[in-house]
Amino acid sequence: SQTIHQWPATLVQPVGSPLSLECTVEGTSNPNLYWYRQAAGRGLQLLFYSVGIGQISSEVPQNLSASRPQDRQFILSSKKLLLSDSGFYLCAWSGDMNTEAFFGQGTRLTVV
Amino acid sequence: AQSVTQPDIHITVSEGASLELRCNYSYGATPYLFWYVQSPGQGLQLLLKYFSGDTLVQGIKGFEAEFKRSQSSFNLRKPSVHWSDAAEYFCAVGVSGGYNKLIFGAGTRLAVHP
Repeated sequence: SQTIHQWPATLVQPVGSPLSLECTVEGTSNPNLYWYRQAAGRGLQLLFYSVGIGQISSEVPQNLSASRPQDRQFILSSKKLLLSDSGFYLCAWSGDMNTEAFFGQGTRLTVV
Repeated sequence: AQSVTQPDIHITVSEGASLELRCNYSYGATPYLFWYVQSPGQGLQLLLKYFSGDTLVQGIKGFEAEFKRSQSSFNLRKPSVHWSDAAEYFCAVGVSGGYNKLIFGAGTRLAVHP
């Protein structure tokens, strides 16, 4: 069966520090991969999606970037964190078009 | 542009009472619709989905939802709520076009009184 792993679960980082959040998927090949950010009362905002290795599309211009170095690995990064980057980050994958997305357990990022 | 509206930010019901969570969407093509549930500090779990066919879909944990094209709605229902149903519920529309992208509503937080 397919599983998705996301880490770390929680992270506290100072303003201006770098960020790297990792997500891996097992049990499937060539998944569509997504990074979402969740803010209180605002639902989930799609940040990045990827349909293949090295193929990244950004939904919202921001201080973050994403990379997909391997088929089932998706990384969310920042060179210098801002206070506004605090939030709950969720990685997700989906299979063929028009199937549901499966989510990781999320990372609570607090920038101080 | 595609969007999902969940009009109720918070809902409180008594255990054993019926529940209906509202969802309205805006999408020009045939929608793919989903309801997800999120427990505090956790990821999202799929409750049910609508792709085509019967407009009343059954999901896990006793939930169901009805797709009404004329009203652009996909409301979630449960006849008798349990205390363990307290969580946040998200409605989403799937946008097609070469990839699969979900547009989420802002969520409805459900509290259940004993």
